Amino acid sequence: AQRVTQPEKLLSVFKGAPVELKCNYSYSGSPELFWYVQYSRQRLQLLLRHISRESIKGFTADLNKGETSFHLKKPFAQEEDSAMYYCALLSGGSYIPTFGRGTSLIVHP
Amino acid sequence: EAGVAQSPRYKIIEKRQSVAFWCNPISGHATLYWYQQILGQGPKLLIQFQNNGVVDDSQLPKDRFSAERLKGVDSTLKIQPAKLEDSAVYLCASSGNRGGNTIYFGEGSWLTVV
Repeated sequence: AQRVTQPEKLLSVFKGAPVELKCNYSYSGSPELFWYVQYSRQRLQLLLRHISRESIKGFTADLNKGETSFHLKKPFAQEEDSAMYYCALLSGGSYIPTFGRGTSLIVHP
Repeated sequence: EAGVAQSPRYKIIEKRQSVAFWCNPISGHATLYWYQQILGQGPKLLIQFQNNGVVDDSQLPKDRFSAERLKGVDSTLKIQPAKLEDSAVYLCASSGNRGGNTIYFGEGSWLTVV
């Protein structure tokens, strides 16, 4: 069965500091991985997906199949990055999505 | 483009009562999902529909939960009878193609069982 692990429940940094939110997955097939974000009082929304290989709001994430990881990184955190971040895996022929428990990122001024 | 609509936004019921949540996905989206999110946890998939057929309902507690999407558009999720541990946010989401497109979420329906 597929599983997504986000080991940190909370990550607290100061503005301008680098950020790395960890995500590890277990899945025997070829995964599709995503990062979703939920800002305060807003709905859950897509931040980025590994197949796009793009940078969104300064965030990037690289799929490392050897380490089964998809860590989210940003070199210089901003206060507006404070939110809940969820890593998600799409698996199987039916593309069933599985979410991690989420990491709360707090960026202090 | 209108987003995923859910109602009611908030509901408080006593244990053993029943409750129903409604979801209208983004127009044209074939795939509809219901997730349960308990405080402090990530969303857990309850059921996934492709048009009006069920793709996966392996984590749906079928003794008390039921969901339908009769015409392949909007959907209802029902809980009967409710238990205290059902207190959670129930998220509806939709996507255009199975896995091919982004999943769009509704604002959620907050359920408190007392």
